[in-house]
Amino acid sequence: NAGVTQTPKFRVLKTGQSMTLLCAQDMNHEYMYWYRQDPGMGLRLIHYSVGEGTTAKGEVPDGYNVSRLKKQNFLLGLESAAPSQTSVYFCASRTDSQIPIRNYGYTFGSGTRLTVV
Amino acid sequence: DAKTTQPPSMDCAEGRAANLPCNHSTISGNEYVYWYRQIHSQGPQYIIHGLKNNETNEMASLIITEDRKSSTLILPHATLRDTAVYYCIVRDTGANNLFFGTGTRLTVIP
Repeated sequence: NAGVTQTPKFRVLKTGQSMTLLCAQDMNHEYMYWYRQDPGMGLRLIHYSVGEGTTAKGEVPDGYNVSRLKKQNFLLGLESAAPSQTSVYFCASRTDSQIPIRNYGYTFGSGTRLTVV
Repeated sequence: DAKTTQPPSMDCAEGRAANLPCNHSTISGNEYVYWYRQIHSQGPQYIIHGLKNNETNEMASLIITEDRKSSTLILPHATLRDTAVYYCIVRDTGANNLFFGTGTRLTVIP
């Protein structure tokens, strides 16, 4: 049981390049999330998904696209990278249990450190 | 989701209890209090959550005041590995976001 796995762990992009970050979870969770964290700040939600084939915008969606073609995977794409997208990206997932006591919270991946030069 | 207020930093001696406060004066009746921590830029880690009653697990205890306007996370015997940023979050279980503020940076001192 690996939990939430993010690939790659590190990446350097040139301005204007594109890339896709992959998040995979093996816990059969319905909900998946992409966050970014800038230095000295808390995490901010980019996009999220409440199930296979669905996606929705979070707080800071501009410049990013996502896809959830398979339940276990949630992809984050940058079509034309900008220096402002230099950040650490975290993926998370959680169960959709309607019983609050079983909603033990989100499970996070270890992050992808992205630098855009 | 209600906003929370936490002190930016705290120190605690190794082996002593660490008590991390959180104010959430605008919390609504169906919002839970969650605590997460983030160790040195790793992904946040779930610690504990509660609604009204005090809660305890293998990691920590959560004390929620009777009016639910504030809470305290207690690490009973802090170790150096507990040095981290601790986030207090209030959230409705139906909501689709965890609002992370800037948290409390806890430093455990040898």
